[in-house]
Amino acid sequence: AQRVTQPEKLLSVFKGAPVELKCNYSYSGSPELFWYVQYSRQRLQLLLRHISRESIKGFTADLNKGETSFHLKKPFAQEEDSAMYYCALSGRSGGGADGLTFGKGTHLIIQP
Amino acid sequence: DTAVSQTPKYLVTQMGNDKSIKCEQNLGHDTMYWYKQDSKKFLKIMFSYNNKELIINETVPNRFSPKSPDKAHLNLHINSLELGDSAVYFCASSPTGVGSNEQFFGPGTRLTVL
Repeated sequence: AQRVTQPEKLLSVFKGAPVELKCNYSYSGSPELFWYVQYSRQRLQLLLRHISRESIKGFTADLNKGETSFHLKKPFAQEEDSAMYYCALSGRSGGGADGLTFGKGTHLIIQP
Repeated sequence: DTAVSQTPKYLVTQMGNDKSIKCEQNLGHDTMYWYKQDSKKFLKIMFSYNNKELIINETVPNRFSPKSPDKAHLNLHINSLELGDSAVYFCASSPTGVGSNEQFFGPGTRLTVL
């Protein structure tokens, strides 16, 4: 069974400090990993996906298959980064429809 | 606007009632989903529909039934509502085929059962 673990329920850092949100996954095949962000009372928005290897809003995430991790990082946190962050996994099944398996989310609070 | 939309945004109802939440996407996607976000903000998939076929049903009570009149809509019907059904329900859609399984989410419907 596939599983996504986000060990930190809440993470509080000061503005300008580095941020790392941890994500570990369990999946027997070749996973596709995502980070979604949910600002207060808004819809989930895609932040990053591992296949695009891009930086969005200063965030990056690298898939480490050896450690089965997909940690989200930002060198300098900004107050507008405060939100819920979800790591999600989509198991590929030959192009079939798969729902996302989400971690329990990390509430990131950036203090001024 | 190209997007995933849901109605209503808020739904307050009594235990035992039957209610529906509508979802529409104009992104031309083949697959649509329903997720439940509980009070602890935990997101869990409930259903997905692809070409009018139910693909996933994650141990959801049979009081919940998705209905897809066409490829652009996936409505969620809930019978005999219970207190534990109170949650935020998100609709999502995605293209299918080779490549990214990125999903696009609706704004959510906050259901409160009294």
